[in-house]
Amino acid sequence: GAVVSQHPSWVICKSGTSVKIECRSLDFQATTMFWYRQFPKQSLMLMATSNEGSKATYEQGVEKDKFLINHASLTLSTLTVTSAHPEDSSFYICSASLAGPYNEQFFGPGTRLTVL
Amino acid sequence: AQSVSQHNHHVILSEAASLELGCNYSYGGTVNLFWYVQYPGQHLQLLLKYFSGDPLVKGIKGFEAEFIKSKFSFNLRKPSVQWSDTAEYFCAVNRGSQGNLIFGKGTKLSVKP
Repeated sequence: GAVVSQHPSWVICKSGTSVKIECRSLDFQATTMFWYRQFPKQSLMLMATSNEGSKATYEQGVEKDKFLINHASLTLSTLTVTSAHPEDSSFYICSASLAGPYNEQFFGPGTRLTVL
Repeated sequence: AQSVSQHNHHVILSEAASLELGCNYSYGGTVNLFWYVQYPGQHLQLLLKYFSGDPLVKGIKGFEAEFIKSKFSFNLRKPSVQWSDTAEYFCAVNRGSQGNLIFGKGTKLSVKP
C-alpha cells in the first residue's frame, strides 16, 4: 500500500519558537495532502487541505498565520507551527490522497508536539 | 452540518466474543465510507472501505462492514475478536468527489485475554 511518513515523530520546543513538521508520500505522488490534529481521547479534526502548488484551504477556526502549510511538490507538504504555545501541544497527523473519484487517504504516523 | 456518529465510546469484550461497532452519518448524498484502526502507539490504518457495489464489504483481519443506505449506517463487525484487536476504531465519511474526511469520535475496543 501507499506509505506516508512524517518527521519528526516527536518534538519538544519552548514557547514562542516555531516548529516545522514534514509529511512525505514515499511511493506515490499525492495531489492532495491533509493536516489533522488529534487531541487526547478525541477524534481527528481536519485543519487544512493542501494541493500541490496552491494555497492551502483552512478549516473554520484554524489560524492560517499560525499554522503555515507549504505543499511545494507532489510528495512533500510541511506544517509550520509558528510562535508555538502550550495550547498548541497536540498530535498532528498528515494524510495524502491519490488522484481519483474516491480520494482514499493514506495516513502518516503522526507527530507529537509538546510546547513547554 | 455533516457529521459522523459512533455510538460507543469504549467497548470491552472477552476473546472470541462477537463485535459490532455502530457508525451513522448525516449526509444524504453520495458518500464513501471508511473504517480506520489505530493500534496503541501506531498510526491510522485502513480496515475497509465502501465506494459502491456490494454493501457488505470485507476488510483485513476478519473485519467486515455493512452499508445500509436507508439507515445512514456503516457498522463494523467481527465474529470473534482477539486480544490483538485491542485498538481505537474510527469511522469516516467523505462526500463523493470531495476529499475531506469527516471522522467519528472513535470507539476504543479493549479485548480481555
